[in-house]
Amino acid sequence: DADVTQTPRNRITKTGKRIMLECSQTKGHDRMYWYRQDPGLGLRLIYYSFDVKDINKGEISDGYSVSRQAQAKFSLSLESAIPNQTALYFCATSDYRMGNEQFFGPGTRLTVL
Amino acid sequence: AQSVTQLDSHVSVSEGTPVLLRCNYSSSYSPSLFWYVQHPNKGLQLLLKYTSAATLVKGINGFEAEFKKSETSFHLTKPSAHMSDAAEYFCVVSDSGGSNYKLTFGKGTLLTVNP
Repeated sequence: DADVTQTPRNRITKTGKRIMLECSQTKGHDRMYWYRQDPGLGLRLIYYSFDVKDINKGEISDGYSVSRQAQAKFSLSLESAIPNQTALYFCATSDYRMGNEQFFGPGTRLTVL
Repeated sequence: AQSVTQLDSHVSVSEGTPVLLRCNYSSSYSPSLFWYVQHPNKGLQLLLKYTSAATLVKGINGFEAEFKKSETSFHLTKPSAHMSDAAEYFCVVSDSGGSNYKLTFGKGTLLTVNP
């Protein structure tokens, strides 16, 4: 009964390929986020969206784009994947009425060869 | 501006002994502070959070943390480690000011529990 789901869970691709990672949530939250995790660096924010028509860059948005197709869906795209985008990617959600606690999906492990 | 420093990248304890994971923070506003845990090949789970109520915060699985404003610290403790506590732990800060959506993560502390 996962509230935040991510697909795929694992993906191996080649340099130059276009990749889309998808996130869906059943929590009814308005805010959604994409992070990447690299060993020893914690999580860093890529993009965030406060509602369907509001999308903002995070601290490391270069090389990525996003689409908020509905309140419950937020996709992350790598237009032309490169090896240093190999990482663990997390989607998260929050509700502005509940403060700034975020709820995380299980993650997508992406390897770019 | 907000930042967080986890003082140990790796902590190793024996089962049944106390756990201390250290975290210092910097914040321009009254902060919210969180500890998240990540078990191997799993997502992040919230252990506990401080949001300006009681300074001693109790979380899940016997963990607790104390907010000390004078020391800008939010250390995570547990009286007796269990093998299932082995995981990576992240201290997270969020300003309660205008940009209160933003979480800033520490680099993580890997906890190893030895039998």
